[in-house]
Amino acid sequence: DAGITQSPRHKVTETGTPVTLRCHQTENHRYMYWYRQDPGHGLRLIHYSYGVKDTDKGEVSDGYSVSRSKTEDFLLTLESATSSQTSVYFCASSEVPDTDTQYFGPGTRLTVL
Amino acid sequence: GQNIDQPTEMTATEGAIVQINCTYQTSGFNGLFWYQQHAGEAPTFLSYNVLDGLEEKGRFSSFLSRSKGYSYLLLKELQMKDSASYLCAGIDSNYQLIWGAGTKLIIKP
Repeated sequence: DAGITQSPRHKVTETGTPVTLRCHQTENHRYMYWYRQDPGHGLRLIHYSYGVKDTDKGEVSDGYSVSRSKTEDFLLTLESATSSQTSVYFCASSEVPDTDTQYFGPGTRLTVL
Repeated sequence: GQNIDQPTEMTATEGAIVQINCTYQTSGFNGLFWYQQHAGEAPTFLSYNVLDGLEEKGRFSSFLSRSKGYSYLLLKELQMKDSASYLCAGIDSNYQLIWGAGTKLIIKP
């Protein structure tokens, strides 16, 4: 299994505060992804990266920003958290975007009060 | 629009066989994945199909019909540890994964 870690694993914050979630992979994968998972919905892509400093928006990018300064690290920032951003966030990585398996981190459970 | 449909929940008996269906509508098609996700854990890869037909991997098999926009995951000799959600995901023309909401499989003794 690919080595992907996420931190923190759990976070409770208040509306309006900034939040940064970190994803770290040790597989030297080129592609990295941030998803959110909510009951009744499939995984929804927030942002993805196809290389250092190369990122693009996904399906539900509003209210989120990302940065990738090193191959192994992909940060997700909620500039001003809202209750609608309460969710489980998964990071994933893959070597190529289409036929390659995406390997997922353990997830971060975020609660915005 | 793009859409992946799969049943919300299914129940099966230990030792039996269960088939989980998935229908998809994506802009272009570049393959279909099945993932397993135990409660509170990350999704893990089960199978990938890009050509029509059946791919067998131990107790799990996955089938694809591109003309019908249809796939299924077949689980044989069910074990209690197979209780999990099964996620279907299609790859669209932009090489993005479009995910279904998942099928929660409950195994009863």
